[in-house]
Amino acid sequence: GENVEQHPSTLSVQEGDSAVIKCTYSDSASNYFPWYKQELGKRPQLIIDIRSNVGEKKDQRIAVTLNKTAKHFSLHITETQPEDSAVYFCAATFFSGTYKYIFGTGTRLKVLA
Amino acid sequence: GAVVSQHPSWVICKSGTSVKIECRSLDFQATTMFWYRQFPKQSLMLMATSNEGSKATYEQGVEKDKFLINHASLTLSTLTVTSAHPEDSSFYICSAREAGFTDTQYFGPGTRLTVL
Repeated sequence: GENVEQHPSTLSVQEGDSAVIKCTYSDSASNYFPWYKQELGKRPQLIIDIRSNVGEKKDQRIAVTLNKTAKHFSLHITETQPEDSAVYFCAATFFSGTYKYIFGTGTRLKVLA
Repeated sequence: GAVVSQHPSWVICKSGTSVKIECRSLDFQATTMFWYRQFPKQSLMLMATSNEGSKATYEQGVEKDKFLINHASLTLSTLTVTSAHPEDSSFYICSAREAGFTDTQYFGPGTRLTVL
């Protein structure tokens, strides 16, 4: 079945350094890849997304890259700040009657001041 | 725009009782809503897809008679956890997709259910 793997499960970086989180999806028909930030007890917050016809997208300190051939996509956060500390989830769409999301297992990012 | 609300934000109930959770799209029409469950320190797991005016479709392993879903209008879906047990305690999150679109889902704030 459809699957999204996410690595690493935890990531600690020094403030100002970069953080990279990687995901691999199984369904070659997946065409939309959102990234969410979730703080404890809160809703997932969309931080960036990318569609399958684009290889890279950037929004200030956040960027996402997509390699359709390898079925990989990655989140890059530069100049990390303590407020970036949260759990990050990648997701990929798959079609089963309608387009649905399958989420990765999450990455707990800790930015050390 | 694209705001989704959930009610209640948290609920505590006794084992064996039923609990209803509402999910509303406040400023757009949602033909499709999704219900997720999230256990502590785990990812979001899709439970079911709620379609306005038709029966919900459930993911494998989710009991449709235990988790009743009703999507009676283009702005409201409800999830009723029937005969709740402690193992149903979780964070339940809904999302809504605007009519005519196929990708972006807008998430509600979640409902923390604790079954004693």
